[in-house]
Amino acid sequence: AQTVTQSQPEMSVQEAETVTLSCTYDTSENNYYLFWYKQPPSRQMILVIRQEAYKQQNATENRFSVNFQKAAKSFSLKISDSQLGDTAMYFCAFMKHSTGAGSYQLTFGKGTKLSVIP
Amino acid sequence: EAQVTQNPRYLITVTGKKLTVTCSQNMNHEYMSWYRQDPGLGLRQIYYSMNVEVTDKGDVPEGYKVSRKEKRNFPLILESPSPNQTSLYFCASRRGGTYSYNEQFFGPGTRLTVL
Repeated sequence: AQTVTQSQPEMSVQEAETVTLSCTYDTSENNYYLFWYKQPPSRQMILVIRQEAYKQQNATENRFSVNFQKAAKSFSLKISDSQLGDTAMYFCAFMKHSTGAGSYQLTFGKGTKLSVIP
Repeated sequence: EAQVTQNPRYLITVTGKKLTVTCSQNMNHEYMSWYRQDPGLGLRQIYYSMNVEVTDKGDVPEGYKVSRKEKRNFPLILESPSPNQTSLYFCASRRGGTYSYNEQFFGPGTRLTVL
């Protein structure tokens, strides 16, 4: 079974600064996908960024980028130029690549609550 | 607008009173699932369905039932709710096939309180 660990329950960052959220995972799979989801106070789950494990290049989406270290099983999220709207709970998630029944299961970490301070 | 809808959004009930939380998606997605979110535990999968009439247990299925009679609907049934089922529930859907990175679309959540 896969496990996802987010070691920082809460973090804060000054507006316009950069912050990095940590995520590590444990799996015996070689092919898989990793995701970061954002959950603002509205509770809606929003996909921020995703990474295919077979790609060496780190994914980027505007101000959001990841540092994917496959050997270390690490998948951190960097938010640049933090904005007040980035205040949210952030979840790291894992999904293995498979055509079998288990391929559709997302395993989530426990989340990191990020506060952006004006 | 492509979306996943859930009803009700908020529900307060009493122990033992059967309830159903509905979930519907308009994207013709094959795959649907239910999660519960609890403080400090993240999201945990309850049940999932790969297509009509195909369902399977997730990580925390005890006390829940599901059905998938139509592609667009995936209701969550609590036959005899208990206080430990007080939680925030999310329904999600995604396109099927072999591409696991297909994005999951989440519903707005249902806040359930069992007294």
